[in-house]
Amino acid sequence: EVQLVQSGAEVKKPGESLKISCQGSGYTFSNYWIAWVRQVPGKGLEWMGIVHPDDSQTIYNPSFEGQVTFSADKSFSTAYLQWDRLEASDTAMYYCARHRAWMGESTTFFYDYWGQGALVTVSS
Amino acid sequence: QSVLTQPPSASGTPGQRVAISCSGGTSNIGSNSVSWYHLVPGTAPKLLIYSNNQRPSGVPDRFSGSKSGTSASLAISGLQSEDEGDYYCSVWDDSLNGPEFGGGTRLTVL
Repeated sequence: EVQLVQSGAEVKKPGESLKISCQGSGYTFSNYWIAWVRQVPGKGLEWMGIVHPDDSQTIYNPSFEGQVTFSADKSFSTAYLQWDRLEASDTAMYYCARHRAWMGESTTFFYDYWGQGALVTVSS
Repeated sequence: QSVLTQPPSASGTPGQRVAISCSGGTSNIGSNSVSWYHLVPGTAPKLLIYSNNQRPSGVPDRFSGSKSGTSASLAISGLQSEDEGDYYCSVWDDSLNGPEFGGGTRLTVL
């Protein structure tokens, strides 16, 4: 059974750093991109970007570039989302998901498996 | 403000059929295939429909998807209480070179 299991909820102060994780099982983790998706309380889903566990290649949504860092360790089947300096506006639920996309004249894209989400609260 | 427009809410009684729309443009829905997701607080989001109208194994055939031009729709027939939650459409956007999500629709089963 394919599963993505995320680390638990975090409460942090502005300016602190944080790294959350997403561990995959039930499939060859290094073969699929992992996406990170943000949901600010009361708002919709936002695509943050993707990381490939095999070579740690990353693609960021321009809206998030420079604000966060994606990484992965295929030996632990785990992807990470990291902040160097949190801000109150980073308060949100963060999901990881297995990214499936076939690019072409018409692009087929979807997320077939998701983590349960990690709530990050940043407050002084 | 999402580039994909969904109604903020929908409702129905058990057994009814409801439809949720997702409106976009030529760089997203007009060019690429749509997927739909169900979010319930405290649980992992679930893929319901991919490639406009394909159901992953395990998703009941009460759920169906369609696409026409720059709009897509998710239909749920035989509404059940467990169908409550938030529904999101998503599609690759050629301008962003990444996926976009709709604003989400909260479904209430009365």
